Amino acid sequence: GQNIDQPTEMTATEGAIVQINCTYQTSGFNGLFWYQQHAGEAPTFLSYNVLDGLEEKGRFSSFLSRSKGYSYLLLKELQMKDSASYLCAVRDGDYKLSFGAGTTVTVRA
Amino acid sequence: ETGVTQTPRHLVMGMTNKKSLKCEQHLGHNAMYWYKQSAKKPLELMFVYSLEERVENNSVPSRFSPECPNSSHLFLHLHTLQPEDSALYLCASSPGLAGGADEQYFGPGTRLTVT
Repeated sequence: GQNIDQPTEMTATEGAIVQINCTYQTSGFNGLFWYQQHAGEAPTFLSYNVLDGLEEKGRFSSFLSRSKGYSYLLLKELQMKDSASYLCAVRDGDYKLSFGAGTTVTVRA
Repeated sequence: ETGVTQTPRHLVMGMTNKKSLKCEQHLGHNAMYWYKQSAKKPLELMFVYSLEERVENNSVPSRFSPECPNSSHLFLHLHTLQPEDSALYLCASSPGLAGGADEQYFGPGTRLTVT
């Protein structure tokens, strides 16, 4: 099984940077995903890492270290619309995703 | 319609009722999933279907019964539920089960309340 940990809540100011950490323990790692979920809406895909290193996508970047069982999602130039829950998910095998409980990010003006 | 749709969006049912949740994907995907999302808890995978065949049944109580009549539609039939079954039920789809960078696309969910 999986054990995925991420902070419950984070608060930051508009225009700032926030880093959401995710640690995991897995029997068979086959990729790590980050999803964004606004209240009452569907989770939407943000990023995918399977090799060590940093993947950058506009204001969002995701980092992976497989040897440390660690990932982070970096949100830059925060906007009010970035207030949401961010879900870390680890894939074990071909398709099975195990999710963390999510980190609620609140962006303040 | 685009993406993954779910109906109804909200459902209140008594413990003796029978109801069904419906999911439809318009993405041409071959795999579909049911997840349960309870407050402050991780998404829990319930069922996985690939090309209309069930490939995962994650120790889910028999009061939840899935049905996948074709690769675009997925149902979750509910009967004699318990109050602890109240949660957001999310449907997702993916191109297949081959892994790689293929992400799962989620529907908006059905908010279920069992009274």
